Amino acid sequence: QSGLTQPASVSGSPGQSITISCTGTSSDVGGYDYVSWYQQHPGRVPKLIIFDVAQRPSGVSTRFFGSKSGNTASLTISGLQAEDECTYYCASYRRSNLWVFGGGTKVTV
Amino acid sequence: QVQLVESGGDVVQPGGSLRLSCAVSGFTLTSYGVHWVRQAPGQGLEWLAFMRNDGSHKVFADSVKGRFTMSRDVSMNTLYLQMNGLRPEDTALYYCARDVSDAFEVWGQGTVVTVSS
Repeated sequence: QSGLTQPASVSGSPGQSITISCTGTSSDVGGYDYVSWYQQHPGRVPKLIIFDVAQRPSGVSTRFFGSKSGNTASLTISGLQAEDECTYYCASYRRSNLWVFGGGTKVTV
Repeated sequence: QVQLVESGGDVVQPGGSLRLSCAVSGFTLTSYGVHWVRQAPGQGLEWLAFMRNDGSHKVFADSVKGRFTMSRDVSMNTLYLQMNGLRPEDTALYYCARDVSDAFEVWGQGTVVTVSS
């Protein structure tokens, strides 16, 4: 079971916007609207920031925006802040009752 | 308050077995499914297994299928991950997480498993 593909790193300046891609196949990202995104600071537990492609859990900043086109999902962080510097993971439901993560993207501000 | 607390992590020799527990509070296992996810040192997240809220539906990643099993005690609100035939590559921090809309909504703090001779 291969994972989803994310860029290893993305960087931006404070106040800028960045986008992290997450590429899968028609069996996962492209076939279902069950893409989610997680934020993980070093030594901390992953935190859900986007589910169902574009939904934000209560309390998550509106600076985080999720979208999907074909087999690629994207997370856009606007108004980049120092606290956004950490690793971001995408995940998707995959056909046959499986789930899969991306390899993670380290964001540098 | 929704909480998941993992326990049972330990140092074990290759080929050994270990049972992890995931005690939940603030919700019941009959209302939500729960996943197991692991993270090897310095590595990314790997989905391992899922038990649906009805308890009858369990699925596993290929990397652990046939070696890991899941069970639960509804009265104790606790989920278990039985790990057999452990390998050095199973060394990781193991999390349980509540499922909501096929996402990993709330995570525990994790428990560390080290497989080494």
